[in-house]
This record gives sequence, C-alpha cells and structure tokens, in this order.
Amino acid sequence: NAGVTQTPKFQVLKTGQSMTLQCAQDMNHEYMSWYRQDPGMGLRLIHYSVGAGITDQGEVPNGYNVSRSTTEDFPLRLLSAAPSQTSVYFCASSLRGTGSHEQFFGPGTRLTVL
Amino acid sequence: GENVEQHPSTLSVQEGDSAVIKCTYSDSASNYFPWYKQELGKRPQLIIDIRSNVGEKKDQRIAVTLNKTAKHFSLHITETQPEDSAVYFCAVAPGGYQKVTFGTGTKLQVIP
Repeated sequence: NAGVTQTPKFQVLKTGQSMTLQCAQDMNHEYMSWYRQDPGMGLRLIHYSVGAGITDQGEVPNGYNVSRSTTEDFPLRLLSAAPSQTSVYFCASSLRGTGSHEQFFGPGTRLTVL
Repeated sequence: GENVEQHPSTLSVQEGDSAVIKCTYSDSASNYFPWYKQELGKRPQLIIDIRSNVGEKKDQRIAVTLNKTAKHFSLHITETQPEDSAVYFCAVAPGGYQKVTFGTGTKLQVIP
C-alpha cells in the first residue's frame, strides 16, 4: 500500500493563479481531510469529507474548494492564490466506525505564493 | 467550534528526565483525544490516543491522562531519549471522529 500520497511536493505560485493539490489514498478510508500548517499555529482544518460526494468546511475554508467524487481522491483547489496561503498543506485519511481512528497523513505540499 | 489550547510551546529536558505536555479543550461533547508526533520535515504520526471512557492509557514510555470533568488531558513521556525530540500535537474530536481539532504544538528538545 502506498498509503496517502500528495502531489506536488513543492509549488510556487504568483498571486491570483489557481491550482489543485492532489491527494489520494489506497486504504479504503471513508474520512479525508485537508490541513494547513503554519509556524506556531499547529494544524488547521480546511475542509473534510466523510465519504464520496460529501464535504464540509473546517476552521479555515475561505479561498479553497474541495470535491470528493471517489473514495480514493480528495483534491484541494486554490481559486485565486494569495500570499496568506503560503503554507505546508497536509492531506489525511482515517476509518469510520468503531475501530482505530488514527489519521494517516500524506507527505505534505509546501506552497509559496509570491 | 472546538478550541484546543496546548502548553508549553517549547520544552527542554535532560535525557532520562520526564516530559509533560498539557492540553485543554472547550467542547464537552468531545470524546476522542489523540497525540501526534512530528519530526522535522516529516508528516505527523499518531503515538497514542484515548477515548472518553478511559482515564489513563500507557504504551511503554508514553502515557496519556484524561480529566473529562476539567476538560484537560496530558501526555507524559518518561526516560526521555534524544529521538523523542520533535513537535508534539494534541488533538480533539467529537463522537463521529470526522472533524479533528489540533493544538498549536509543543517543541520538545531532549538534551543528551
């Protein structure tokens, strides 16, 4: 199993550009989430999904869109990049139900917006 | 929404000493409390978790305690080693486990 994969690993954008961060998991996890990590602020939830076709906003959703057309994929779209979106982005997945609720994280995408 | 506070933000201990990190939360409906470790440049990884029907859980040198009445929980690392140096995050989730709120992290440095 590859676990949770993210592409790209690094990205530089200019203000106003749009892009999509890709996230995929091969563990058949129902839950998937996107976080951004900024120094001193921990991991902040952007959007999350409890299954295909279902998404919801997290703590900091403005400027980002998501969709979940399949169980495996959960892309994050930046509509019009701003310098405030410079951050490290992590995708994570976990199981639903009564078993383990460990979140498995991808390797992260380091995004710089100039 | 849920508010999680984590203290201290940095912690330095001598090798072999114990380290304690504390978190408080606001939503009394929260019932899942995981701890993640993040080494420099790497992804966060779960090290231990506890559910609200349990007051304490141990795994070798790591333990977590939970006080639901006071809405706080703590991570205890005993006999610290240099490889314990990392950033540690507490987190909180409601009954459905789908929406996880993280603390701001504690940078632990273990001095050999």
